Amino acid sequence: EDKVVQSPLSLVVHEGDTVTLNCSYEVTNFRSLLWYKQEKKAPTFLFMLTSSGIEKKSGRLSSILDKKELFSILNITATQTGDSAIYLCAVDGNKLVFGAGTILRVKS
Amino acid sequence: KAGVTQTPRYLIKTRGQQVTLSCSPISGHRSVSWYQQTPGQGLQFLFEYFSETQRNKGNFPGRFSGRQFSNSRSEMNVSTLELGDSALYLCASSSSTRLETQYFGPGTRLLVL
Repeated sequence: EDKVVQSPLSLVVHEGDTVTLNCSYEVTNFRSLLWYKQEKKAPTFLFMLTSSGIEKKSGRLSSILDKKELFSILNITATQTGDSAIYLCAVDGNKLVFGAGTILRVKS
Repeated sequence: KAGVTQTPRYLIKTRGQQVTLSCSPISGHRSVSWYQQTPGQGLQFLFEYFSETQRNKGNFPGRFSGRQFSNSRSEMNVSTLELGDSALYLCASSSSTRLETQYFGPGTRLLVL
């Protein structure tokens, strides 16, 4: 059965810290891995990764995929209180499978 | 451009009842997907509709059904509600099969008593 596991489940950091969120997966017919940020209700798209070893970057956020080891990381540098959210990882294989998410809280 | 809208936003039902949730996609989007989000299970894919046809389906019992109309609006129905159906139901619309173009609505919070 396809599965996506995210770690840690939750994390509390101080403003300015750098965080690394992990996502490992086992899916059939891998096509892509996606990261979302969910603040109140609606998840918003962050990155889509399809190729191994190519970093996607947007401001202070970056992500990379390792298709050999079946995992991805999401890095956030110089964290701000506005980064507090649930970060969801999803893998598109035969179906779109989401991980349980990482709850990030950034304290000022 | 208006975003994805879902109605109602909150709903309280009792066990055994049925419920219908509605999703209006972004104008021009033909794909609508439905998800269930619970604290224990996370976000789980229910089904996807494209041009009034169900294109993909998750692992949910037959009590969960959906449909899409010619204007791309979609409804999801849950019959014989169970306590475990309490969840946030999210729909997402896309103009294509590309997932990075998928936009989520605010969700419907369903509480089953």
